Amino acid sequence: QSVLTQPPSVSGTPGQRVTISCSGDSSNIGSNKVNWYQQLPGTAPKVVMYNNDQRPAGVPARFSGSKSGNSASLAISGLQSEDEADYYCAAWEDSLNDHLLFGGGTKLTVL
Amino acid sequence: EVRLVQSGAEVKKPGTTVKISCKSFGYTFSDYYIHWVKQAPGKGLEWMGLIDPEDAQTIYAEKFQGRITITADTSIDTAYMELTSLTSEDTAVYYCATARYGGHFNYWAQGSLVTVSS
Repeated sequence: QSVLTQPPSVSGTPGQRVTISCSGDSSNIGSNKVNWYQQLPGTAPKVVMYNNDQRPAGVPARFSGSKSGNSASLAISGLQSEDEADYYCAAWEDSLNDHLLFGGGTKLTVL
Repeated sequence: EVRLVQSGAEVKKPGTTVKISCKSFGYTFSDYYIHWVKQAPGKGLEWMGLIDPEDAQTIYAEKFQGRITITADTSIDTAYMELTSLTSEDTAVYYCATARYGGHFNYWAQGSLVTVSS
């Protein structure tokens, strides 16, 4: 059971906006930055959002991130079929010195 | 171009040990920590531990303490992850990835599949 809680699945139709939530507590999300990783089937994960709301080069502006208190969100607007993937949030945990936590992952389905 | 290249797939018997390598290209090896991440079949990502190649300091997730050893050979820009006392629960793809201290994983290797079966 992950300490960071994500919905197992979300779905949307092309062009829609979807949001994936990630809930933690004051010792992880509440006091550290959140990163988001996208994993396409059969491939290694790649970062799509870091430091809560920073998009790496090459990630479309349709992706945005936010954090408030002990929760974070990844939003994808103008949904496209190639966005169908598993998404994981991650944050460092203060109560376990320099340990990293992943969320359980969310499967995004583009209908 | 930064690349991380891992060793190939392994099939191991229960109770044995596996050692996976992760060779780095295209950057100064000591600039980034090397992390190891486990992904069991159909499951999510699980952080296992890290090494600072500069001073070989390691941190391991509690779940793997006592069974995992992460090392780095700076002469060949390669990190290793050794996992002992394997069981079927260790069947997974193992990834190495780089990150600055407290940062996000910016580069990932292709992963190494380890199958534990009698």
